[in-house]
Amino acid sequence: KAGVTQTPRYLIKTRGQQVTLSCSPISGHRSVSWYQQTPGQGLQFLFEYFSETQRNKGNFPGRFSGRQFSNSRSEMNVSTLELGDSALYLCASSFGLGPSQETQYFGPGTRLLVL
Amino acid sequence: AQSVTQLGSHVSVSEGALVLLRCNYSSSVPPYLFWYVQYPNQGLQLLLKYTSAATLVKGINGFEAEFKKSETSFHLTKPSAHMSDAAEYFCAVSGSDYKLSFGAGTTVTVRA
Repeated sequence: KAGVTQTPRYLIKTRGQQVTLSCSPISGHRSVSWYQQTPGQGLQFLFEYFSETQRNKGNFPGRFSGRQFSNSRSEMNVSTLELGDSALYLCASSFGLGPSQETQYFGPGTRLLVL
Repeated sequence: AQSVTQLGSHVSVSEGALVLLRCNYSSSVPPYLFWYVQYPNQGLQLLLKYTSAATLVKGINGFEAEFKKSETSFHLTKPSAHMSDAAEYFCAVSGSDYKLSFGAGTTVTVRA
């Protein structure tokens, strides 16, 4: 079974631009969660989608948004990029709502650099 | 709200020696606790998780962790380190809000 895939793997943007990242979960998984990893703040939860609905949200500004499609694929969007948005963005999928009851499987991440 | 504190940002061990990574948690409700490993340029892989079924949890790759409520700890151990254990390890907690809160991570280096 194929794992979680994220595209693109690397991305360079400039301040003020917007970016869209994509995540394809493991086949049959209905939940997708997004995390931001930076050297300064570590790993932080962004949001979780299940059955096309946002079920949980972390403490990030409204510039960070996401959505989930009927095939469970998910996208996250960051508008008006700031230098501090440079990070590794990780996506994780699980069969049910994670992470307590369900094991989350992580993708390799998208590394975003904002110049 | 819940949180975890990992003691020691770097741990260096000799091959064949005990690996001990420390994690203390704070949670107002019985927590779910996790250990993840991250290899360079990769995502996170779940090593093990505690969900109140048993206090000693065995995971993959020979790792295990013991939940100690009295000490609010969930330390990760492996009896004999292997070169392939060199990676970054994250302790995480999930509580009533169903969000994962991660520790700052501990980088493990293994000396030949």
